[in-house]
Amino acid sequence: GAVVSQHPSRVICKSGTSVKIECRSLDFQATTMFWYRQFPKQSLMLMATSNEGSKATYEQGVEKDKFLINHASLTLSTLTVTSAHPEDSSFYICSALKPRDSYYEQYFGPGTRLTVT
Amino acid sequence: AQTVTQSQPEMSVQEAETVTLSCTYDTSESDYYLFWYKQPPSRQMILVIRQEAYKQQNATENRFSVNFQKAAKSFSLKISDSQLGDAAMYFCGRGGSQGNLIFGKGTKLSVKP
Repeated sequence: GAVVSQHPSRVICKSGTSVKIECRSLDFQATTMFWYRQFPKQSLMLMATSNEGSKATYEQGVEKDKFLINHASLTLSTLTVTSAHPEDSSFYICSALKPRDSYYEQYFGPGTRLTVT
Repeated sequence: AQTVTQSQPEMSVQEAETVTLSCTYDTSESDYYLFWYKQPPSRQMILVIRQEAYKQQNATENRFSVNFQKAAKSFSLKISDSQLGDAAMYFCGRGGSQGNLIFGKGTKLSVKP
């Protein structure tokens, strides 16, 4: 199957600083990637859709100025959490769409655990 | 509303037995698909099974099969011959034409040896 990586896997940052999370599709090109957030013992919530070469589409309630998404190439999307606060601590998961026969399949990265102190 | 409901927060099954996880959904789209993902303690999302809504035949993948009732908007997952490695969170969900996924709240499956 396709491989999607995320870096870093864990990050601890101080309140007020910014942190960047990378999502890479290692063996295929992905024009569309997604960013999810998962709180402990909860489901995945879609934050935004990242399209290569265009602005990301954010879900209702997600602050676009706080969660900056850049999809600069067909294999890389980045999520930057700006001016992080403790309530931003969460597990962030990306996924990438890969065309497969008559449909697209979504492949997930291993996730990034963000802790804001 | 575009929702996915998993009514069983936790389920338990004896090793080698069969268990069924429930899922219902709501959508106004005509072109969609349904899926079950597994999330083990590592938190890596793993696709278990996928069903195109236009297909009447229920999807199967080895020990995993679904019961897709389109009119009732129901999509349950049956795991046969349960194994210890099946223990995980299971998320039911719906995908649309744009590729975005909507997940249910999940069912935590425990497998007893």
